[in-house]
Amino acid sequence: GAGVSQSPSNKVTEKGKDVELRCDPISGHTALYWYRQSLGQGLEFLIYFQGNSAPDKSGLPSDRFSAERTGGSVSTLTIQRTQQEDSAVYLCASSSPDSNQPQHFGDGTRLSIL
Amino acid sequence: AQSVSQHNHHVILSEAASLELGCNYSYGGTVNLFWYVQYPGQHLQLLLKYFSGDPLVKGIKGFEAEFIKSKFSFNLRKPSVQWSDTAEYFCAVYGGSQGNLIFGKGTKLSVKP
Repeated sequence: GAGVSQSPSNKVTEKGKDVELRCDPISGHTALYWYRQSLGQGLEFLIYFQGNSAPDKSGLPSDRFSAERTGGSVSTLTIQRTQQEDSAVYLCASSSPDSNQPQHFGDGTRLSIL
Repeated sequence: AQSVSQHNHHVILSEAASLELGCNYSYGGTVNLFWYVQYPGQHLQLLLKYFSGDPLVKGIKGFEAEFIKSKFSFNLRKPSVQWSDTAEYFCAVYGGSQGNLIFGKGTKLSVKP
């Protein structure tokens, strides 16, 4: 498809389990972003990948959160030992190398921690 | 740290009413400003953006926004709303050395038919 693809669309898991969320950016987009949208909150930046540079992890809320981007394309966000406060919609966005291009968002993964 | 404030949490309008959603940002340097919209059940979509030039920016679906540097504002406007404009609207800033967007908490717009 032409847009940013995220999977799964919904994930329900028990507290304490690990989860992996996947993002497939638009082809050719070198920048990839993860955001979190919690109930009643705006969008919270988590992590940013740009090409082969070291990722900007400044938004990750704890060391239980990590992300990687293999081959400069697909990214996986991993949450270890999930907690109930991790319940949110996790959004991925990508943008082209041109500095004035906006970010394109995926549909998100709705994560529910029981 | 940069921040974005959206003044209204929920706005309810009747069709054909005029709309203005407030947005203020804290960053004092060169900024790139955005409005995104999220229709029910859909992903975030770009409405309009400002990078430089004319501070009055036209976007899709009849929306416009005005960048007022002295007020650190980027308010979204539409002269006459439609029921199909019911959605959540997010103001965002992209500036400084970070590559990410800083979003406001969003304004939910409900348009009554």
